[in-house]
Amino acid sequence: AQSVTQLDSQVPVFEEAPVELRCNYSSSVSVYLFWYVQYPNQGLQLLLKYLSGSTLVKGINGFEAEFNKSQTSFHLRKPSVHISDTAEYFCAVIVAGGTSYGKLTFGQGTILTVHP
Amino acid sequence: NAGVTQTPKFQVLKTGQSMTLQCAQDMNHEYMSWYRQDPGMGLRLIHYSVGAGITDQGEVPNGYNVSRSTTEDFPLRLLSAAPSQTSVYFCASIRPGGRGYTFGSGTRLTVV
Repeated sequence: AQSVTQLDSQVPVFEEAPVELRCNYSSSVSVYLFWYVQYPNQGLQLLLKYLSGSTLVKGINGFEAEFNKSQTSFHLRKPSVHISDTAEYFCAVIVAGGTSYGKLTFGQGTILTVHP
Repeated sequence: NAGVTQTPKFQVLKTGQSMTLQCAQDMNHEYMSWYRQDPGMGLRLIHYSVGAGITDQGEVPNGYNVSRSTTEDFPLRLLSAAPSQTSVYFCASIRPGGRGYTFGSGTRLTVV
């Protein structure tokens, strides 16, 4: 079975500062990796995904993430955050194929708060 | 607009009552899932389906029932509501080989 650990439950940061949200995963098989964002009282929106190929993945709203297989990590970064980035961010994994495809496993979430 | 539609958006139930949360998608996705979201616990899989007539349990299935009679619909039934089922419920769908789940806007359920 796969698992996801988001290492920080809350990350406060000032506007225009860089931010990194950390995600580690555990799986005995190949996985696809995702980052989702949830704005207050809304559903989940896909930020970016890693399926294969280049380990640096670029997503929407200026976010990017780097897949590191040796460290089993998929950290999310943004070089300069805005107030509007305040939200909860979820890292998630899904088994890459087979009968377990379709079971998305989430981390506990990281609340990013951007202060003016 | 194509996507996943959940109804109702809000619901208050008394302990012991039953109800059905509706989920429909119009993208012809074969895979559909139900998740519950609780503070500090992320989203946990309740049930999922890989196609019409096929369902399976997720991480937290107790107290919930599902069926999948059509590709489009995947209702979640609470058999006898308990306060522990107070949560926000999300339905999601994906096609085989798809590159990311599409989520509904959620149902906020309170059991008193």
